[in-house]
Amino acid sequence: QSALTQPPSASGSPGQSVTISCTGSSSDVGGYNFVSWYQQHPGKAPRLIIYEVTKRPSGVPDRFSGSKSGNTASLTVSGLQGDDEADYYCSSYGGRDNLVFGGGTKLTVL
Amino acid sequence: QVTLKESGPALVRPTQTLTLTCTFSGFSLPKMRANWIRQPPGKALEWLVHSDWDGDTFYSASLRDRLTVSRDTSKNQVVLTMTNMGPLDTATYFCAQISSKWELVYWGQGALVTVSA
Repeated sequence: QSALTQPPSASGSPGQSVTISCTGSSSDVGGYNFVSWYQQHPGKAPRLIIYEVTKRPSGVPDRFSGSKSGNTASLTVSGLQGDDEADYYCSSYGGRDNLVFGGGTKLTVL
Repeated sequence: QVTLKESGPALVRPTQTLTLTCTFSGFSLPKMRANWIRQPPGKALEWLVHSDWDGDTFYSASLRDRLTVSRDTSKNQVVLTMTNMGPLDTATYFCAQISSKWELVYWGQGALVTVSA
């Protein structure tokens, strides 16, 4: 199972919005609504911020939102803040009882 | 409060077998759906294996031949074994609880394993 494709980097100024894409195939992202997004700060474990494409766990600000169109999922971070600077990973159920991750995107807050 | 914690050796010699333990608390055993994920330094996350408490286990196709997962109900533990370790296996290994919709809800802090002679 190939990794999902994410841009290696993204950036935005405080208060702006940034969108990170996650492209897979009809066998994973396009075939299931089981796309998740994780935020990872340096030296820390990943933290779930979006699940089932659009849902937010309790405690995650509504500045984080998810969507999907065809084989591409997207994470949008609105009202950028300094603490949003982190690595972001998407994942998707890949069928045949396996999970696939994206290559990660480093978000820089300028 | 749900917690997961990985434990095991920090250094493994090439060709040796790695054994990592995930100790969890805060939820009932029948709901345990443990996954192992690894992350080489500076690189992306890689999914390794999923294991239900009732015995369903699913392995990454690329590592299937080297991985084994077992469960110790008396100790609330899930044990990962990886054979024939090499330098490319150097990574932080995470244990995580996954939901039925395949999102990794709770994560351990991770255990860094270095493979070196």
